[in-house]
Amino acid sequence: GAGVSQSPSNKVTEKGKDVELRCDPISGHTALYWYRQSLGQGLEFLIYFQGNSAPDKSGLPSDRFSAERTGGSVSTLTIQRTQQEDSAVYLCASSPGQFDTSYNEQFFGPGTRLTVL
Amino acid sequence: SQQGEEDPQALSIQEGENATMNCSYKTSINNLQWYRQNSGRGLVHLILIRSNEREKHSGRLRVTLDTSKKSSSLLITASRAADTASYFCATEANGNQFYFGTGTSLTVIP
Repeated sequence: GAGVSQSPSNKVTEKGKDVELRCDPISGHTALYWYRQSLGQGLEFLIYFQGNSAPDKSGLPSDRFSAERTGGSVSTLTIQRTQQEDSAVYLCASSPGQFDTSYNEQFFGPGTRLTVL
Repeated sequence: SQQGEEDPQALSIQEGENATMNCSYKTSINNLQWYRQNSGRGLVHLILIRSNEREKHSGRLRVTLDTSKKSSSLLITASRAADTASYFCATEANGNQFYFGTGTSLTVIP
């Protein structure tokens, strides 16, 4: 595709419900990142996928958060038993690859705005 | 944490003036990148400077990097109203994680 896409663009849910956020990276990009951005704040790293390697999950804030990347392409971020503090914009980015840092420019999707009531 | 810190948090200038924003970080890096975020276009990559580079130019943008001081600056010359946005620096150290700062909010007044 032309760029990174994310769905849904907006999600309103009730506290305690599970949500799934989807990211479609740019075709051919092997690296995929998830970030969270709270209102007026910077980006908080959540998780990183590179090819078929085990993901770097060190940024996930709790065990309620998990992510998968199927077939090295589409990724889903799942938040279980959502809490009000999970409200934020969730951004996905993809990058061509890891081996030469000159390729580490990230291309961001438009984000999913999650509101937990 | 290696998170970058931008300075100032907010900056307001007249159109045509230059805007300078700074970024400081804590540990050794491979490269440092600057991104722009506005409501219309989301986060967009502006420029990347490697750890062995000291200065880089791209159009009206000039980026400097001082690894001894662990700091970088972004200069936007001849600013335009369309430059109004938040600017973030992002540091990369191990090819995996990127650490973004909290951003500088730039307002260019027409």
